[in-house]
Amino acid sequence: DQQVKQNSPSLSVQEGRISILNCDYTNSMFDYFLWYKKYPAEGPTFLISISSIKDKNEDGRFTVFLNKSAKHLSLHIVPSQPGDSAVYFCAASGGTSYDKVIFGPGTSLSVIP
Amino acid sequence: GAVVSQHPSWVICKSGTSVKIECRSLDFQATTMFWYRQFPKQSLMLMATSNEGSKATYEQGVEKDKFLINHASLTLSTLTVTSAHPEDSSFYICSASSRRLHEQYFGPGTRLTVT
Repeated sequence: DQQVKQNSPSLSVQEGRISILNCDYTNSMFDYFLWYKKYPAEGPTFLISISSIKDKNEDGRFTVFLNKSAKHLSLHIVPSQPGDSAVYFCAASGGTSYDKVIFGPGTSLSVIP
Repeated sequence: GAVVSQHPSWVICKSGTSVKIECRSLDFQATTMFWYRQFPKQSLMLMATSNEGSKATYEQGVEKDKFLINHASLTLSTLTVTSAHPEDSSFYICSASSRRLHEQYFGPGTRLTVT
């Protein structure tokens, strides 16, 4: 039973355009959401997070939107750059933020120059 | 930023031997460390959670006698794969968090190949 879903295994975007990565979750107890970026043969790198009390969090080119009623969040990257090409994992946790985190299956983003 | 290291970055061992992987938090004290496993083109699978000074909590389906986890200090956790078999070949990643940090920070991973 997958609690965090990323239904698009891959996404291709032209350089300079917007990349939108989507994530859905099923557990209503989740109250903290994170996005990680991962290159092959490396550990994930934390990108951005959002608490359930917010519906938007922005950090530079990265913005995460949270729709609690729909149990849906998305990561927007604007403008997309070739260096953004990586696998992006959506993750969620319940309770305190350092509880265990449940990861989605990931979306592989390719930014085409 | 928070830095987590892993050693070794890759290891090849023979079937039946044991392998130890170290995970260190370099610039913060990690009250909790997590061990993940990633198969090719798959997501990260949490294996266990370890808190400093206490026994690790293993996820369902993970053999605690096979994957020994020790979190002896606030900066070091080790994962020992005992009597390794080819099916244990995988990419093992640790992460660490603390009460000061809001997120988990990941190590670079260890590629284990069992021949």
